[in-house]
Amino acid sequence: QSALTQPASVSGSPGESITISCTGSSSDIESYNYVSWYQHHPGKAPKLMIYDVTNRPSGVSNRFSGSKAGNTAALTISGLQAEDEADYYCSSYEGSSSLVFGTGTKVTVL
Amino acid sequence: EVQLVESGGDLVQPGRSLRLSCATSGFTFDDYAMHWVRQTPGKGLEWVSGISWNSAKIGYAASVKGRFTISRDNAKNSLYLQMNSLRVEDTALYYCAKDIFSSVWTGIDYWGQGSLVTVSS
Repeated sequence: QSALTQPASVSGSPGESITISCTGSSSDIESYNYVSWYQHHPGKAPKLMIYDVTNRPSGVSNRFSGSKAGNTAALTISGLQAEDEADYYCSSYEGSSSLVFGTGTKVTVL
Repeated sequence: EVQLVESGGDLVQPGRSLRLSCATSGFTFDDYAMHWVRQTPGKGLEWVSGISWNSAKIGYAASVKGRFTISRDNAKNSLYLQMNSLRVEDTALYYCAKDIFSSVWTGIDYWGQGSLVTVSS
């Protein structure tokens, strides 16, 4: 049950696109299409941005997109906006009734 | 409107017990799996435990297995976490969370505001 690996920080200028990676193993990301991404502003509850690798919940901007290749998932934010500045976490089902989160990535809008 | 309201967080000494509760409304509680997720001060999110809609499937993080017990009462639309043998490292903000699905941990679409548990002598 090791945490999924994410870069500690990613930054970009308004309007740019950034990608956050989430690396797991053959036991989690590679084996299941149950990867989710969450946006977390300090002091608030996390918000679901992507589920089942690529699906966006109703109300989430289409600037957010998800993908997966092998044991690595990715969240891309296009047209970066100031309001996107937050912490982002991935998660994956890893079988045996277990879920694992990523280490978290701080996104900074320059 | 979906609402998840945690309660029961407190300051306790190491080795003691605490029970968290989560009252829910705004959705059909017994249609969905539920989870407890915690965030330690200044650190990231950690999944603690999950339970399927009918309690047939339950899972725990290795860090709490054998000490914590998750349960639910579908008649009361409530989720619980019994925490025994608490350790200093269990200090965290504990979130009650709703899964997208009923019996597979697919993702969490709603979160409570959290209940603070502090374990200290």
